Amino acid sequence: KAGVTQTPRYLIKTRGQQVTLSCSPISGHRSVSWYQQTPGQGLQFLFEYFSETQRNKGNFPGRFSGRQFSNSRSEMNVSTLELGDSALYLCASSLVNSVYNEQFFGPGTRLTVL
Amino acid sequence: AQKVTQAQTEISVVEKEDVTLDCVYETRDTTYYLFWYKQPPSGELVFLIRRNSFDEQNEISGRYSWNFQKSTSSFNFTITASQVVDSAVYFCALRGTGANSKLTFGKGITLSVRP
Repeated sequence: KAGVTQTPRYLIKTRGQQVTLSCSPISGHRSVSWYQQTPGQGLQFLFEYFSETQRNKGNFPGRFSGRQFSNSRSEMNVSTLELGDSALYLCASSLVNSVYNEQFFGPGTRLTVL
Repeated sequence: AQKVTQAQTEISVVEKEDVTLDCVYETRDTTYYLFWYKQPPSGELVFLIRRNSFDEQNEISGRYSWNFQKSTSSFNFTITASQVVDSAVYFCALRGTGANSKLTFGKGITLSVRP
């Protein structure tokens, strides 16, 4: 069974631009979560989607948004990019929207903002 | 608020040594779940184990073992006879219920195993 896939793997943008990252969960998984990983702040939760609905949201500004499609694929968007948005963005999927279920992570998208 | 503390930031051992990675957590939930993930240099987080708050049984999987103690709010991870392939960053994480259902990670421990 294929794992979680994320595209693109690497991205370079300049300040003020916007970016869209994509995540395809493991087949059959319906819950998708997004995380930001930076050397300073570590791994921080962005948001979680299940059945096209946002179920949980982390403490990030409104510039960060996401959505989930009917096939469970998810996208996250960051508008008006800032230098501090440079990070590894990880997507994780789980079978259902349950705190019991372990999440399986993708390889991440490394975003560099210049 | 939930919190996970991994006080050790970097550990370096020689191959075949045993090593314990510490994890201390804070939560007010009575039902919660603890996880360990491994992040090799490739960057992808690999799930290692899940433990729920009602199951304090220790677990062993090959060279890996986990010691969960609610009395000290700790969930420590031991690698026996470490190998170079164990070199990675290891994260402990906590997930509660309701408003605390997001996965909260510790800062991670960088383990280097030297030949």
